[in-house]
This record gives sequence, structure tokens and C-alpha cells, in this order.
Amino acid sequence: NAGVTQTPKFQVLKTGQSMTLQCAQDMNHNSMYWYRQDPGMGLRLIYYSASEGTTDKGEVPNGYNVSRLNKREFSLRLESAAPSQTSVYFCASSGGESQPQHFGDGTRLSIL
Amino acid sequence: QQPVQSPQAVILREGEDAVINCSSSKALYSVHWYRQKHGEAPVFLMILLKGGEQKGHEKISASFNEKKQQSSLYLTASQLSYSGTYFCGTVTWDNYGQNFVFGPGTRLSVLP
Repeated sequence: NAGVTQTPKFQVLKTGQSMTLQCAQDMNHNSMYWYRQDPGMGLRLIYYSASEGTTDKGEVPNGYNVSRLNKREFSLRLESAAPSQTSVYFCASSGGESQPQHFGDGTRLSIL
Repeated sequence: QQPVQSPQAVILREGEDAVINCSSSKALYSVHWYRQKHGEAPVFLMILLKGGEQKGHEKISASFNEKKQQSSLYLTASQLSYSGTYFCGTVTWDNYGQNFVFGPGTRLSVLP
């Protein structure tokens, strides 16, 4: 029972490079989320998807794009990475806004 | 708008009790509580819905005061395993629908 799977777990990029963080859930959840967490800080919402085919901006969307490929998968893309995007990225899924969120293990991203 | 959590940090000895508060400037639909251990993903503890109900999970329980727009998490007879950062997440409504926002977290350290 995998739950929420994120890949990769670690990544180092150079400024200006692009990459896509992958997230997949096997719980048949409608809602999926991308958060970033900086050292000693809370979780800030980047983008979320309430259902397949829909995406909405969260608190800190600048510099990111997302794709809800199907009900299972929700990817996060950095088009031109900047050092300020160095962070731990968590993907989560839930059955709805007032349902528990289940988190993946996170992607630790460093941008040099 | 991000909820306010208090205290920011607390240090306990094993067996002591603690209370963590979460308050919002907006009317709350529901409140989530999560715990995150260092280097790990957040883990869901409980959800409280409108109606002022109190929920329990082992020696961890929570209350929701709709009138005061706040929730409190109670940890009784704390164990070493309770150490971590506790986040509340609040669900509110506006003209665009439901909004979910995490608080900044309360760091709890339980010492032997």
C-alpha cells in the first residue's frame, strides 16, 4: 500500500535548469497538493488540484507550473530554477478539503 | 490567512502535559492537526468539524471552539515519541470556495 509516492527524493540543480517533480497516489483521492517547506518553517501551498483537470494557485505559485495528468498523478515543474527555490517539496492527497491529507516522503531540492 | 499557533515552542519532561492553541481571524469550517518529526513528512492526527466536538487519539485530544474561532490540542502524560512539530490546518470559506492553510507550527520537545 504505497499511498503517495514522490520522485526523485533528492535533486541538485544549477540556476536556470528546469526539472519536474513527480507525484502519484493510489488512494483514489480527488484532491492533490504541492507544498514547499523551508528550514524551520511551516508548509506553504504552491498549487492544488481539487479534481482531475483542474488546478489552482496557492500562496506561493510564482516560478512553478503544475499538471494534473490524471486522477493519480500531479506534477510540479520548475522552468528556470533559482536558489530561492531550494526547499523540501511535499506532495499530498486527500478525499476533499475537510478530509485528512496524506503526504509523500518529500523531495529535497538544492539549487546552486 | 494563516492561523496563529501558540506557543511557538515548548519543552516538557516525560509525563507532563501540554496544550497547543490554534486561532483564526476567519470563521472556521474545520480544523486539522498534524505532527511532523524531524526529516519526515507530516502525519495526520485528527480533524475537528463545526459543532465544538472534542476528539481523542490515544493520549492526544483536541477541542474546537467555533465561537472563539480556535482549536486546542491537548497532550497528556507526554512520551518521548510525542516530540516533533505540530501544525494546525484551518478550513475557511470565501467567495471562491473553501480554503485550507497550515499554521506556522509549534515545536514540542519531550525530554527524559
